[in-house]
Amino acid sequence: IAGITQAPTSQILAAGRRMTLRCTQDMRHNAMYWYRQDLGLGLRLIHYSNTAGTTGKGEVPDGYSVSRANTDDFPLTLASAVPSQTSVYFCASSAEQNTGELFFGEGSRLTVL
Amino acid sequence: AQRVTQPEKLLSVFKGAPVELKCNYSYSGSPELFWYVQYSRQRLQLLLRHISRESIKGFTADLNKGETSFHLKKPFAQEEDSAMYYCALTYGGSQGNLIFGKGTKLSVKP
Repeated sequence: IAGITQAPTSQILAAGRRMTLRCTQDMRHNAMYWYRQDLGLGLRLIHYSNTAGTTGKGEVPDGYSVSRANTDDFPLTLASAVPSQTSVYFCASSAEQNTGELFFGEGSRLTVL
Repeated sequence: AQRVTQPEKLLSVFKGAPVELKCNYSYSGSPELFWYVQYSRQRLQLLLRHISRESIKGFTADLNKGETSFHLKKPFAQEEDSAMYYCALTYGGSQGNLIFGKGTKLSVKP
């Protein structure tokens, strides 16, 4: 049972480069989310999608973009990475919005130099 | 703005001691509160939610609307309880999005 799969697990990136973090789920969940986890700041929502074809901005969307072409995939793109985007990124999904029960991936550790 | 506050970054207790991880929220309506846990090298996962009023792994949490709190409690801590704990809130206007606290790292010493 895969659940949520994120790739890459870890990446070191030069500032200014473009980077896409991949997220795939096999649970046919409607809602998907991207969070970043930073020491002392907890988890902050970057972008979300309540269903395929729709996306929305979370608490910290600047510098990030997402797409939801289908139910299973929800990639997060950093168009031009900056050091402040060094973080651990978590993708999550839930069967429906408003349930509060999220299933998380294992995270992608990104270092921007 | 809606907010979840976990005042302790780190909580250290001895095995067998009671543990209480504090969580306070700011929301005037009827929120739904959750506790998530992240064990070392594991995924973040749901521990419990207030509406189910259940006990998971010996943990309980009661929503106190008067004090706007949702503290997580366990009468006898175990070493395997050592983890990062996040309190989270969702409400009608959040479009289903969870608002997380900054987390409390629980360390249970032998």
